[in-house]
Amino acid sequence: AQTVTQSQPEMSVQEAETVTLSCTYDTSESNYYLFWYKQPPSRQMILVIRQEAYKQQNATENRFSVNFQKAAKSFSLKISDSQLGDTAMYFCAFMKQEAGGADGLTFGKGTHLIIQP
Amino acid sequence: NAGVTQTPKFRILKIGQSMTLQCTQDMNHNYMYWYRQDPGMGLKLIYYSVGAGITDKGEVPNGYNVSRSTTEDFPLRLELAAPSQTSVYFCASSYTNQPQHFGDGTRLSIL
Repeated sequence: AQTVTQSQPEMSVQEAETVTLSCTYDTSESNYYLFWYKQPPSRQMILVIRQEAYKQQNATENRFSVNFQKAAKSFSLKISDSQLGDTAMYFCAFMKQEAGGADGLTFGKGTHLIIQP
Repeated sequence: NAGVTQTPKFRILKIGQSMTLQCTQDMNHNYMYWYRQDPGMGLKLIYYSVGAGITDKGEVPNGYNVSRSTTEDFPLRLELAAPSQTSVYFCASSYTNQPQHFGDGTRLSIL
């Protein structure tokens, strides 16, 4: 079984600053996917970014980018030019490729990110 | 495009009552999932389905049942509600090896 650990329960930064959220995982799988999901107070689960383990290049989506270190089993999320709307819970999640995603995602406990005006 | 639709959004049950949480997706996804989210925790997988007529247990299946008679629908059944089942429930769907799309969740309280 795999585990996902997010060691920062809460973080707070000023608007426009850059913030990095940490995530480590443990697995014996060679092929997998990693995700960051955002959960604002509305409770929706919103996909932020996705990384395929076989790709060495780090994924980016506008102001969001990841630092994927496969050997270290680390998958951090960097948010640049943070905005008030980025305030939310952020979850790191793991998915095995072998099952095609059929057996679901394994989530970390989340990091509550607060962007201060 | 509705995506994944869950009903109801909120529900209060008494201990021992039963209910069904409904989930429908209109994206023709083959995979569907049910998760629960307890306070301060990430989501945990209850059940999943790889297609109509096929379901399997996830990490926390006790106290729940599911069925999948069509591609679109994946209802979750609580037979004898217990206080430990107070949680927020999310339904999700996806294609093979693609990100999951989530519904807006159902907040369930059992008193």
